Amino acid sequence: DAGVTQSPTHLIKTRGQQVTLRCSPKSGHDTVSWYQQALGQGPQFIFQYYEEEERQRGNFPDRFSGHQFPNYSSELNVNALLLGDSALYLCASSLAWVQGRKKDTQYFGPGTRLTVL
Amino acid sequence: AQKVTQAQTEISVVEKEDVTLDCVYETRDTTYYLFWYKQPPSGELVFLIRRNSFDEQNEISGRYSWNFQKSTSSFNFTITASQVVDSAVYFCALSEAMGGSQGNLIFGKGTKLSVKP
Repeated sequence: DAGVTQSPTHLIKTRGQQVTLRCSPKSGHDTVSWYQQALGQGPQFIFQYYEEEERQRGNFPDRFSGHQFPNYSSELNVNALLLGDSALYLCASSLAWVQGRKKDTQYFGPGTRLTVL
Repeated sequence: AQKVTQAQTEISVVEKEDVTLDCVYETRDTTYYLFWYKQPPSGELVFLIRRNSFDEQNEISGRYSWNFQKSTSSFNFTITASQVVDSAVYFCALSEAMGGSQGNLIFGKGTKLSVKP
């Protein structure tokens, strides 16, 4: 049973550049959430995608955008990178419905470590 | 506003000692979910347990046990007979229930547990 996968593992960018991170959900899951984890902090919610639409959004600027594809995989895009965007970006997947009941514990991938210089 | 507080930043114990990780939460919701995740040095968040606000029954899973007390808004986690492999950062998290579904996760800052041989 394949878990959540993310690519790339590490990424180094310079200020002002744009970056795209990718996530494939756990087999059978249809919902993808993205989190940003700064060093020494807990993860912070960026947004969640279900049925190819953004369903919830945390307190992040419009420079952060995303997309979900028909196969449920997802991308996180960050434009005009700032030094403060350096962090571990975590993707989590979940299943919205199981046998008519909502059942959506989030399972996390290994993350993408983004460094902005 | 929802908030999770993990007052213990770091804990160091010797193998086979018991250790309790504290978690205190704040929410105005009557229906919510509580979680514990483990983050080893590899970075991936590993799901340990989920509790909904209506289920105050304590749970034991092997060496792990959880004590949920709504009266004190606490959801503490105890590891019995700790092992070196338990060394990791442990996060407590809270989510509101949106129509019975789990909303975005709100994490505490984590407690770094070091178990020395």
